[in-house]
Amino acid sequence: SAVISQKPSRDICQRGTSLTIQCQVDSQVTMMFWYRQQPGQSLTLIATANQGSEATYESGFVIDKFPISRPNLTFSTLTVSNMSPEDSSIYLCSVAGGGNEQYFGPGTRLTVT
Amino acid sequence: AQKITQTQPGMFVQEKEAVTLDCTYDTSDQSYGLFWYKQPSSGEMIFLIYQGSYDEQNATEGRYSLNFQKARKSANLVISASQLGDSAMYFCAMRVRRFSGYALNFGKGTSLLVTP
Repeated sequence: SAVISQKPSRDICQRGTSLTIQCQVDSQVTMMFWYRQQPGQSLTLIATANQGSEATYESGFVIDKFPISRPNLTFSTLTVSNMSPEDSSIYLCSVAGGGNEQYFGPGTRLTVT
Repeated sequence: AQKITQTQPGMFVQEKEAVTLDCTYDTSDQSYGLFWYKQPSSGEMIFLIYQGSYDEQNATEGRYSLNFQKARKSANLVISASQLGDSAMYFCAMRVRRFSGYALNFGKGTSLLVTP
């Protein structure tokens, strides 16, 4: 199994600012995934982060708004840039295990005022 | 495109009773995987059960079982002997290929409330 930690666990930010969310995994993984969960909604995949290459974004998400870094096999960051109240969400990172498992971090609750 | 549909926004069940949460899916792939996750109010995503398309038996994990009907493209979650702690959001998800691995495509979820 994989244990995933995220920092910060929650934050309240002002409109127009940026927040960087960190995701740390206790084992080396090739791919990490970032999801967004808007209030009362389901999880939506933002991007796939491969180590050593640019992240690949899903339709509706762009690098300028959600830049992602993946400096090594256990760590990734997601930045939410130029925030607006619509960015208020839970952001979760995830990794796939060796079998069929998909592990999630505890999430970062972001509120934009 | 792969799609997951959960048509029950909310469900109620009395403690100790069984409840079925519905999930239908759409895919043109022959090989696919289906998941159920529980999300309590704390926000964490708790893996419950997995069913592969080629698995001959319905998956079971303790009080959770998956009623997999391939021809109907349904993968309903059955929770037996409900407990108050089962009150949460439940999401059905399908594995989607991303490069050499898989991410998840989620349904809209079902909110389950277990009453005493």
